[in-house]
Amino acid sequence: SQTIHQWPATLVQPVGSPLSLECTVEGTSNPNLYWYRQAAGRGLQLLFYSVGIGQISSEVPQNLSASRPQDRQFILSSKKLLLSDSGFYLCAWTRDSKDYGYTFGSGTRLTVV
Amino acid sequence: ELKVEQNPLFLSMQEGKNYTIYCNYSTTSDRLYWYRQDPGKSLESLFVLLSNGAVKQEGRLMASLDTKARLSTLHITAAVHDLSATYFCAGGNNNNDMRFGAGTRLTVKP
Repeated sequence: SQTIHQWPATLVQPVGSPLSLECTVEGTSNPNLYWYRQAAGRGLQLLFYSVGIGQISSEVPQNLSASRPQDRQFILSSKKLLLSDSGFYLCAWTRDSKDYGYTFGSGTRLTVV
Repeated sequence: ELKVEQNPLFLSMQEGKNYTIYCNYSTTSDRLYWYRQDPGKSLESLFVLLSNGAVKQEGRLMASLDTKARLSTLHITAAVHDLSATYFCAGGNNNNDMRFGAGTRLTVKP
């Protein structure tokens, strides 16, 4: 069966510090991978998605970046965090077929102080 | 770009009552999803609707899709406290991504 792992679960970082969040998927190959952010009490905002190694589509211009160095690994990064980067970050995957929903990781709660 | 609107955003209902959450979307979408989120948790997939007229049911929840009206509904029958959560609908966008509504925060009171 397929599983998705996301870490860390909680992170408190000072403004201006770097960020690296990692997401990996097991039990499948060539998944579509996504990073979403959820501000407190709000909906989900798509940040990045990837349909293959090295292929990244960015939806929102900001100080975040994403990379997909391996087929089942998706990394969200920042060189310098802003207060506005605080939120709940969710990684998700799906098969290329549209018949399946998205499976989300457990999320990372980031607080920038 | 697909835009998804849910209403209501907040819903407080008594146990045993029925209610419907509405999800409208702006452009043609070939798939519609419903998710549940408990406080502080990730999202759990509830339903995947892929065609006009699709209806799916799980327990006290039933979801339907009308692609002509660009409308999906999530109907709650005889609500119980365990259904308290935030419910999101999401539509499939042109590419391989998904756009979410703002969510409906449901509270079921005894």
